[in-house]
Amino acid sequence: SQQGEEDPQALSIQEGENATMNCSYKTSINNLQWYRQNSGRGLVHLILIRSNEREKHSGRLRVTLDTSKKSSSLLITASRAADTASYFCATEANNAGNMLTFGGGTRLMVKP
Amino acid sequence: AAGVIQSPRHLIKEKRETATLKCYPIPRHDTVYWYQQGPGQDPQFLISFYEKMQSDKGSIPDRFSAQQFSDYHSELNMSSLELGDSALYFCASSPDQETQYFGPGTRLLVL
Repeated sequence: SQQGEEDPQALSIQEGENATMNCSYKTSINNLQWYRQNSGRGLVHLILIRSNEREKHSGRLRVTLDTSKKSSSLLITASRAADTASYFCATEANNAGNMLTFGGGTRLMVKP
Repeated sequence: AAGVIQSPRHLIKEKRETATLKCYPIPRHDTVYWYQQGPGQDPQFLISFYEKMQSDKGSIPDRFSAQQFSDYHSELNMSSLELGDSALYFCASSPDQETQYFGPGTRLLVL
């Protein structure tokens, strides 16, 4: 089964609201990364959180990691229409090289 | 800032033909990764190279091969193409084998 699974699969909010996306994984990891993808385009790296970190911030992004629950969340505050995209979490597992295993992605739509 | 370059951006091939995708990593990045993303699917890891040597192998079909050259660019060779190979193929590079920076992808359509 998939290493990373995301919840919700789709999220629709109004501009200015906060968006929270969750990701669960199954194996021990070195780090977890969040990516953004505009429709059919490249993956843009947003933030990386290591297994010994619990929370990380970058601008309007806040990522948490709970290794005991094997889960992570991505919070986008004060969303903008330009945040509309798919968001993927990807994990780098322990003892598996440094390839990334991606989750199913959350499609976020921010309505102006 | 320089980004990962992939060429071509779009490619149309017939079944059983071959295709070669190219990836030019960000300067001074020594690691290259290839991923395949089918329609509506997650990206799936195919293969990676570090310092011109294969470092990890994922779900890459035997019909595909790849290599990294002395200038660190990489090529993904795909033979006996099948309809199911239609996908977005991403290359990513990394300076530290941790953060991966993705290229814009090559969209391959097999007819």
